[in-house]
Amino acid sequence: GIQVEQSPPDLILQEGANSTLRCNFSDSVNNLQWFHQNPWGQLINLFYIPSGTKQNGRLSATTVATERYSLLYISSSQTTDSGVYFCAGNSGGYQKVTFGTGTKLQVIP
Amino acid sequence: GAVVSQHPSWVICKSGTSVKIECRSLDFQATTMFWYRQFPKQSLMLMATSNEGSKATYEQGVEKDKFLINHASLTLSTLTVTSAHPEDSSFYICSAPQSEQYFGPGTRLTVT
Repeated sequence: GIQVEQSPPDLILQEGANSTLRCNFSDSVNNLQWFHQNPWGQLINLFYIPSGTKQNGRLSATTVATERYSLLYISSSQTTDSGVYFCAGNSGGYQKVTFGTGTKLQVIP
Repeated sequence: GAVVSQHPSWVICKSGTSVKIECRSLDFQATTMFWYRQFPKQSLMLMATSNEGSKATYEQGVEKDKFLINHASLTLSTLTVTSAHPEDSSFYICSAPQSEQYFGPGTRLTVT
């Protein structure tokens, strides 16, 4: 199966700072998604982004499928952005999804 | 967006007992659902694919006799952890696809 690596594994930001999270995958990936896992464990869908760029408020994401990576940008970070961010995707014609290793973000006031 | 629910959200059980977790797609039908397990500070690992009307497909290393999956209808899949042991304590989460994956809120299982 595909391997999905995320970087950095851990990130501490001062409130108001910007950051970029990266997701690299070992093979072509379909249906790439970004999630935020809150402290209670729930996965919040951030972006469904198989290719191109999308923006939603302070968050934006870019996927370059031909180069097998995706980026998540967080601008003007807030303490509520803290948590773990995962990218995930599937390969070939399979629906089952492989998750990345995750980035744990802590935003401090 | 589509909504997936899970029940219960947390459960504590004694070693040797069985626990059933339900996953429901509330506003769409799902012929396929997925079950994941997440240990503390780790990523989500796919356990099995639940198929409506047929047997589940288990990932390598997952005991099918221990983790029984039943996809009884187009909106309901259940995961039963049989003869639970403390090492089965984990966060279990299901998903259902509609081009993108929609996840339930998860079930935290603690086996004492």
